[in-house]
Amino acid sequence: EVQLVESGGGLVQPGGSLRLSCAASGFTFSNYWVTWVRQAPGTGLEWVANIKQDGSEKYYVDSVRGRFTISRDNAKNSLYLQMNSLRAEDTAVYYCARDRWVVVGATTLYYGMDVWGQGTTVTVSS
Amino acid sequence: QSVLTQPPSVSAAPGQKVTISCSGSSSNIGNNYVSWYQQLPGTAPKLLIYENNKRPSGIPDRFSGSKSGTSATLGITGLQTGDEADYYCGTWDSSLSGRGVFGTGTKVTVL
Repeated sequence: EVQLVESGGGLVQPGGSLRLSCAASGFTFSNYWVTWVRQAPGTGLEWVANIKQDGSEKYYVDSVRGRFTISRDNAKNSLYLQMNSLRAEDTAVYYCARDRWVVVGATTLYYGMDVWGQGTTVTVSS
Repeated sequence: QSVLTQPPSVSAAPGQKVTISCSGSSSNIGNNYVSWYQQLPGTAPKLLIYENNKRPSGIPDRFSGSKSGTSATLGITGLQTGDEADYYCGTWDSSLSGRGVFGTGTKVTVL
């Protein structure tokens, strides 16, 4: 079964750090881009960051750039999100998802996120 | 703040049809595929439509997608109580350094 399972969430004080993990199974992890998406309480989905198959390309939403670092270990079939200098507004459920891209002629287009984990909750509060 | 705009809510009676719009710009919808996600209460999102109008296996043909210029639309026909959920459009935005983007989300209510 194709699956993503997040872990590492919890309660942390403002200014603190947390490392989220996402374990992949049931597919060849190293063949796919993967993404972190978050959802603050009562709000919509927010794309956070994604990373290319070999880790050579990473993209971040402006609000986390410089504070969060996305990484992966293909040997361990795992995705990570190192979160530093946490703020109250980072409180959310964090999901990992498998990204799909498709080559159309000379262009690479974004297909969407076809597999999602169940989410892990991060609460930033004193 | 989302760069893709959706109506906050739509509603209809069982068996009826609803459509959800998603408005963007040339740097996102205008130059990329649109995907749609369904989020049932208390659960993770699920891919509903990809590449503007394709359905993953297991998604009924009551769900359809289309795209024109910088806008996209999700249609749900034969509305069922189990369709009550939040729906989000998504794509890639190639402005600045590039990032993924979601719509503001639409709550579908079955009357």
